Amino acid sequence: NAGVTQTPKFQVLKTGQSMTLQCAQDMNHEYMSWYRQDPGMGLRLIHYSVGAGITDQGEVPNGYNVSRSTTEDFPLRLLSAAPSQTSVYFCASSRNLLGRTGELFFGEGSRLTVL
Amino acid sequence: AQSVTQLDSQVPVFEEAPVELRCNYSSSVSVYLFWYVQYPNQGLQLLLKYLSGSTLVESINGFEAEFNKSQTSFHLRKPSVHISDTAEYFCAVSDTGGFKTIFGAGTRLFVKA
Repeated sequence: NAGVTQTPKFQVLKTGQSMTLQCAQDMNHEYMSWYRQDPGMGLRLIHYSVGAGITDQGEVPNGYNVSRSTTEDFPLRLLSAAPSQTSVYFCASSRNLLGRTGELFFGEGSRLTVL
Repeated sequence: AQSVTQLDSQVPVFEEAPVELRCNYSSSVSVYLFWYVQYPNQGLQLLLKYLSGSTLVESINGFEAEFNKSQTSFHLRKPSVHISDTAEYFCAVSDTGGFKTIFGAGTRLFVKA
């Protein structure tokens, strides 16, 4: 079972460059989300989706875009990278559990450095 | 808005000693509560969860947590820790306010020989 797959695992960008972090899950989960992890701050929710064609903002959405054209894929786009976006990014998926997210299944993370 | 507070950023403890990692949450509605563990350079994985029913939940590797609604707490305990328990532990809450799981800042458990 692949679970949640994220690519790339590591990326270095220059300020102003754009890129897309890929996320795919093979568990037929309705819910998918992106978090960033920074020291001392835990995980903060960037964007999430409750199904194909439906996305919404989390706690820290500025500078990021998402789309959900299929159940399996949920890419995260950085439009113009800034040093403040240096972080470890995690994609997570879950079943819709009576109108709430249940257990989250995480990818292995993508470490992004913006110079 | 939901929030999760983990009261200790680091907890050093000797092997075979008991440990408690504290977690408090704020929410005005019913919640699902989770503890996740993150080993170095890995993603997070579920340790245990409270959805409903018994307020005491257990994991397969000896951890337990008790949901206390009146104190809005979900503290994690283990009676005897091992070196292999060294990791970062995150408390998280999901409620009916929307499809958002909110995490605490994490507690780094360091088990010493």
